[in-house]
Amino acid sequence: KAGVTQTPRYLIKTRGQQVTLSCSPISGHRSVSWYQQTPGQGLQFLFEYFSETQRNKGNFPGRFSGRQFSNSRSEMNVSTLELGDSALYLCASREDRRNRDTEAFFGQGTRLTVV
Amino acid sequence: QKEVEQNSGPLSVPEGAIASLNCTYSDRGSQSFFWYRQYSGKSPELIMFIYSNGDKEDGRFTAQLNKASQYVSLLIRDSQPSDSATYLCAVATHASGGSYIPTFGRGTSLIVHP
Repeated sequence: KAGVTQTPRYLIKTRGQQVTLSCSPISGHRSVSWYQQTPGQGLQFLFEYFSETQRNKGNFPGRFSGRQFSNSRSEMNVSTLELGDSALYLCASREDRRNRDTEAFFGQGTRLTVV
Repeated sequence: QKEVEQNSGPLSVPEGAIASLNCTYSDRGSQSFFWYRQYSGKSPELIMFIYSNGDKEDGRFTAQLNKASQYVSLLIRDSQPSDSATYLCAVATHASGGSYIPTFGRGTSLIVHP
């Protein structure tokens, strides 16, 4: 079974631009979550999508948005980029079970650098 | 605010020793607990999960959970230099959207020296 695939792996953007990141989850996984990882803040939860709907959201500004398609692939968009958005963006897919089995499998991440 | 706390380290142990990594969490309703290993520049990799109080062993790894004290630990026996990485504790907390979202600690850096 293929793992979680994120594209692109690396990205350099300038302040004020926008960026779109893509994530293809493990086959059969319907939950896709996005995380931002920085040395100072660690792994911070951005949002979770399930069945094309945003199910949960972390404490990030509205410049961060996402969506999920019918095949469970997800995209994340960041508008009006700021220097502080430079980070590793990780996508994680889970086989959704409401009670407990929530182990998340991560993609390789997209390293975004804003200059 | 649901929190997961870990000592940032680094924890330095000699090769062949037991490395002990600890994690505490604030949400008493947490159901599932996970340990991830993250090598520098790589993404987190799941190595253990535990749901019930007590110990769970998998090869050289043992996860220990104590829900009453709200802590979870990871023991690595016969530590190898290849175990040198950052270990992230994740606790699945119930989110408002009706699912469980893993909340991560900031990780403990482990260094195994020959």
